[in-house]
Amino acid sequence: EAQVTQNPRYLITVTGKKLTVTCSQNMNHEYMSWYRQDPGLGLRQIYYSMNVEVTDKGDVPEGYKVSRKEKRNFPLILESPSPNQTSLYFCASRLSSGAANSPLHFGNGTRLTVT
Amino acid sequence: GQQVMQIPQYQHVQEGEDFTTYCNSSTTLSNIQWYKQRPGGHPVFLIQLVKSGEVKKQKRLTFQFGEAKKNSSLHITATQTTDVGTYFCATGGGADGLTFGKGTHLIIQP
Repeated sequence: EAQVTQNPRYLITVTGKKLTVTCSQNMNHEYMSWYRQDPGLGLRQIYYSMNVEVTDKGDVPEGYKVSRKEKRNFPLILESPSPNQTSLYFCASRLSSGAANSPLHFGNGTRLTVT
Repeated sequence: GQQVMQIPQYQHVQEGEDFTTYCNSSTTLSNIQWYKQRPGGHPVFLIQLVKSGEVKKQKRLTFQFGEAKKNSSLHITATQTTDVGTYFCATGGGADGLTFGKGTHLIIQP
């Protein structure tokens, strides 16, 4: 089944404790991205990647890192989480950055709470 | 990148009533995509519009792209409880990805 898989689904952590949210897609998509969703603010893009070893900042990149060593994986790293990063996070993928007609496929989301 | 404003933020309807959400921009849009997110779920792609004045239908859902390509709407006829969720418009999709509207939450009272 074609899908985007995120883990974990829920995560509660404390300020400053490094964490990684994993994302994997099995559709051979070139383009992957991370969004955060907050009440009243909708979906905001954190980072995106057009292909392996190519990453770029989205609209709200501060406090986050990503890597794209393999085509299928695009982990989101919070080196020193803070309470304002408490949010619902979605990983998404698309066929390619040039395929503007192709839809985004979203993972099931990761609800992160930082205390 | 391009930005879109979506209204209303919330819409309460009685089951069986119609529902419309609007997506507006001050600039000409290259395309519009619509997504639906069920409560507790993730956004799911519904449709894309790219042509001026385009109208597409999916059963009870009608999607329109304005003649000037600055606005779009999603209309649901005779809402059902399965229509509950948040509807997002989004634009772009090139190298820097999609920009989403803030969404319209559809609440249906039986």
